[in-house]
Amino acid sequence: KNQVEQSPQSLIILEGKNCTLQCNYTVSPFSNLRWYKQDTGRGPVSLTIMTFSENTKSNGRYTATLDADTKQSSLHITASQLSDSASYICVVEGPSGGSYIPTFGRGTSLIVHP
Amino acid sequence: DTAVSQTPKYLVTQMGNDKSIKCEQNLGHDTMYWYKQDSKKFLKIMFSYNNKELIINETVPNRFSPKSPDKAHLNLHINSLELGDSAVYFCASSQDALPGSRVAQYFGPGTRLLVL
Repeated sequence: KNQVEQSPQSLIILEGKNCTLQCNYTVSPFSNLRWYKQDTGRGPVSLTIMTFSENTKSNGRYTATLDADTKQSSLHITASQLSDSASYICVVEGPSGGSYIPTFGRGTSLIVHP
Repeated sequence: DTAVSQTPKYLVTQMGNDKSIKCEQNLGHDTMYWYKQDSKKFLKIMFSYNNKELIINETVPNRFSPKSPDKAHLNLHINSLELGDSAVYFCASSQDALPGSRVAQYFGPGTRLLVL
């Protein structure tokens, strides 16, 4: 069964600090690995999209890495801001019946304190 | 301008009722999706439509019937609502529907459904 596990479940950091969120998956093969940011009460917003052959992808202060051999991805946030407080969701897309089905992690809840 | 919009934002209804959720996107995208987010914030894809044609149907009960009158709209009709249907339902859209395509999906604000 395809699974996406994220850690930690929640994280509290001080404004200005860096942090790294982890994503381990069992989906194999897969096409894309995505990271989303979801603010409370809002829909997810795409941060990064990586294919299986990519190792890193940046979007401003967000940098995602991918190690397809160990089936791990991480999302690094630099110089955190209060607005980074949100849930960060890892999604891995694998083939199923001629299409690609996303498997979602449960997310890491990040709180940035002033 | 709202890219992906959903109505209603909140929906409270009794068990056994039939309800619809509407979704519209003004991005000119070809593909639209419905997702369900449960009480533990776990997201799962339900349906995907490309140019009004169903391409993904992820073991969703027959009580759920998506309808796409045109490329810009994908509505979700739910018959005989059950307590377990309580969740947040998100609509999304993307430009390309090719399997494994690396395009961003744009999500709507969600519809919070509570079945009593």
